[in-house]
Amino acid sequence: QVQLVQSGAEVKKPGAPVKVSCKASGYTFINYKMHWVRQAPGQGLEWMGVINPSGGDTIYAQKFQGRVTMTRDTTTNTVYMELSSLRSEDTAVYYCARGLLQGDYYFDYWGQGPLVTVSS
Amino acid sequence: SYELTQPPSVSVSPGQTARITCSGDALPKQYAYWYQQKPGQAPVLVMSKDSERPSGIPERFSGSSSGTTVTLTISGVQTEDEADYYCQSSDSSGLYGVFGGGTQLTVV
Repeated sequence: QVQLVQSGAEVKKPGAPVKVSCKASGYTFINYKMHWVRQAPGQGLEWMGVINPSGGDTIYAQKFQGRVTMTRDTTTNTVYMELSSLRSEDTAVYYCARGLLQGDYYFDYWGQGPLVTVSS
Repeated sequence: SYELTQPPSVSVSPGQTARITCSGDALPKQYAYWYQQKPGQAPVLVMSKDSERPSGIPERFSGSSSGTTVTLTISGVQTEDEADYYCQSSDSSGLYGVFGGGTQLTVV
């Protein structure tokens, strides 16, 4: 069965970076893109970007360009999302979500979503 | 940046029909997808390509599209359907994903 298992909750100081991992299993890793979606407490879902695990190419939402980096490790079937220069507004649950390799963006499997708290 | 617009809340009684709309300029060109999210849980895909119901989703969930608006309809609403619902699509280029602001469905 498809599983996306993410790293645990984090508490970070303002200005620090955070790196969240997402380990995929139950399917062929390079045959699906991986998206990152975040949700601030009590707020809606926000698309952050996508990585193609096959070639490593990425597309980032304009809001996060320059601050987010998505990478992958095909030897461990893991994708990573690093967000730098954290501020309090980045406090959110960060989900990885599987999407098609080609065609429409939509998400059929989601990770459990760790909470990243930014606080001094 | 591209936006999808949903009503913040919809309220229905059990057994009634709930309709949740989502509007966006690129929806005639890009399919919409709907997710149900209950407190403390990850979202679950409940409607695909405007009107295709994924496996395992009850038949009371249906979807439709007309111009720049898509609609998720829940017929015979049950108390277990109380949740937040999000529409999702892509911008006209297909390169950037976008979510609507979410609609809280209350079953009273």
